[in-house]
Amino acid sequence: DSGVTQTPKHLITATGQRVTLRCSPRSGDLSVYWYQQSLDQGLQFLIQYYNGEERAKGNILERFSAQQFPDLHSELNLSSLELGDSALYFCASSLQGATDTQYFGPGTRLTVL
Amino acid sequence: GDSVTQMEGPVTLSEEAFLTINCTYTATGYPSLFWYVQYPGEGLQLLLKATKADDKGSNKGFEATYRKETTSFHLEKGSVQVSDSAVYFCALIPGNRDDKIIFGKGTRLHILP
Repeated sequence: DSGVTQTPKHLITATGQRVTLRCSPRSGDLSVYWYQQSLDQGLQFLIQYYNGEERAKGNILERFSAQQFPDLHSELNLSSLELGDSALYFCASSLQGATDTQYFGPGTRLTVL
Repeated sequence: GDSVTQMEGPVTLSEEAFLTINCTYTATGYPSLFWYVQYPGEGLQLLLKATKADDKGSNKGFEATYRKETTSFHLEKGSVQVSDSAVYFCALIPGNRDDKIIFGKGTRLHILP
């Protein structure tokens, strides 16, 4: 158990819909990261937040957004969903920056029908 | 741009065989290098890391040495076990204070008893 929790574990929705994925980091960790893992794209870094502020941005689509709240949990919002958004979405946390060990959650599997 | 290339899998070995998974990188500056492992149905776990040239990361019998001259970070283990069956990801964080982590496509390892 990494100490990072993600909800829900599975999500099935339709094209055009909007969903919210939630992540609670390990106690004491200030950074939260979001990743997308799919068969064709592999593992892609989406975005990082540090203590409530956006720190780094990767291959995140404009239809996607994220935020980190004062209690340090984070949410990833995916809107206008397309079939190609079906993937496993991981959250990770680390003490400070990305060179600190990142601890990954179990992931949320999103299926868009 | 910065990138990571690792050998394509799947790699199938017998138990107690010697393992090498090749990883080469392209980066400006002096990146930090990582190996992550993903067991079936789980999130990624940091296996080992190296933050400067000639550093050797090691954990659970796995080793990798940061070779700046060949831009490589090959993963090795002297005697693999069935429990090592997983997907292995090589990754880097650029050395320019950019916190984006860049992953290779992953190598699936299957160990036969």
